[in-house]
Amino acid sequence: DIQMTQSPSTLSASVGDRVTITCRASQSISSWLAWYQQKPGKAPKLLIYKASGLESGVPSRFSGRGSGTEFTLTISSLQPDDFATYYCQQYNSYSRTFGQGTKVEIK
Amino acid sequence: VQLLESGGGLVQPGGSLRLSCAASGFTFSSYAMSWVRQAPGKGLEWVSSISASGGSTYHADSVKGRLTISRDNSQNTLYLQMNSLRAEDTAVYYCAKLPCSAGSCYSHFDYWGQGTLVTVSS
Repeated sequence: DIQMTQSPSTLSASVGDRVTITCRASQSISSWLAWYQQKPGKAPKLLIYKASGLESGVPSRFSGRGSGTEFTLTISSLQPDDFATYYCQQYNSYSRTFGQGTKVEIK
Repeated sequence: VQLLESGGGLVQPGGSLRLSCAASGFTFSSYAMSWVRQAPGKGLEWVSSISASGGSTYHADSVKGRLTISRDNSQNTLYLQMNSLRAEDTAVYYCAKLPCSAGSCYSHFDYWGQGTLVTVSS
């Protein structure tokens, strides 16, 4: 199976900060990567697909980059609604795997 | 799009349970579907996927032979039959839609249900 490793595991930031989360794949996955946001007690919500495609309705402060084995999710100006846990997910194979998550906390 | 899971609950180790996911707001028979689970306080784990027709299924190694995905396109419903349950199967189970028809397609999950909790304990 393809392993996905996110860093950092926890990130403390303030409203207005620019934050970047990194996701690394154990082998090349081309651009077959998605990012999700999850709040406590809620289902994950799709933010980014195919590494850099912004899902409809998602604010433009979210952006994704990367290909191959290294990917990033950037929030250009952190808003109060953005404090949550973020997961990357590869879909290069039918055995889709997720990163372990990055919790974005209020500093 | 709405996905509504049901069927979760408390079950003893070795027991069985069947989860359902009622879909509405889209042409259910045109899209692949999946189950994804999340153990308490843990991350997300893909469990299984099924093609739009139901002819192809895929399961994670951790559940192969015990959990089985299926669908009834006439009832717009996705199922997960869970047998020989173990404590490590305790999780919230989400159904999720893929924006493609093949269960093995290169695609993300575009819609998720709210989840149903399965607890395996004596």
